[in-house]
Amino acid sequence: EPEVTQTPSHQVTQMGQEVILRCVPISNHLYFYWYRQILGQKVEFLVSFYNNEISEKSEIFDDQFSVERPDGSNFTLKIRSTKLEDSAMYFCASRAGGNQPQHFGDGTRLSIL
Amino acid sequence: RKEVEQDPGPFNVPEGATVAFNCTYSNSASQSFFWYRQDCRKEPKLLMSVYSSGNEDGRFTAQLNRASQYISLLIRDSKLSDSATYLCAVRVGAGTALIFGKGTTLSVSS
Repeated sequence: EPEVTQTPSHQVTQMGQEVILRCVPISNHLYFYWYRQILGQKVEFLVSFYNNEISEKSEIFDDQFSVERPDGSNFTLKIRSTKLEDSAMYFCASRAGGNQPQHFGDGTRLSIL
Repeated sequence: RKEVEQDPGPFNVPEGATVAFNCTYSNSASQSFFWYRQDCRKEPKLLMSVYSSGNEDGRFTAQLNRASQYISLLIRDSKLSDSATYLCAVRVGAGTALIFGKGTTLSVSS
């Protein structure tokens, strides 16, 4: 069964540094998403991406964050000037379209020191 | 007012028991509803979509009550492997983002 893949599985970074989290969505999917989950809290929506542009974003997704689809397969989340509170699991998801559900990757654990 | 609310539990049940979870949502424009399962420190995995007429998948039954703005998940004949956190997720209006509840934790014991 096709799946969403994410790299790295764990990223440790010093506060203030930039990180790039990578995702390869399912190949025939059209909608791509990033979510985060701070330890012990709920899964929170960050941003959705369709047709090479952001279609929706939450208030969490401020100027510190950006997304890109640099080629036909990768979908990246960049976090600039990382803060301690950015420590979380970051999940990528993709969806075919219509009312199809979102399928999640196994996440990147981001630890900011 | 929280958008999607769930009883956090934990629900501790013996193997073979039937257990039900509820989830309420605040936005009446919500259009799509899902149950996901999340194991500790893992990704949410789709358990089932929830349809207006209710739907069943093996031991799992999901129902939607639009008038009262809640969805439910019923698990029959619980297995040890059902132990996990069950997340309710709602998609609102024309948007495609999922709004998640905090999840209900189920622990099935032998």
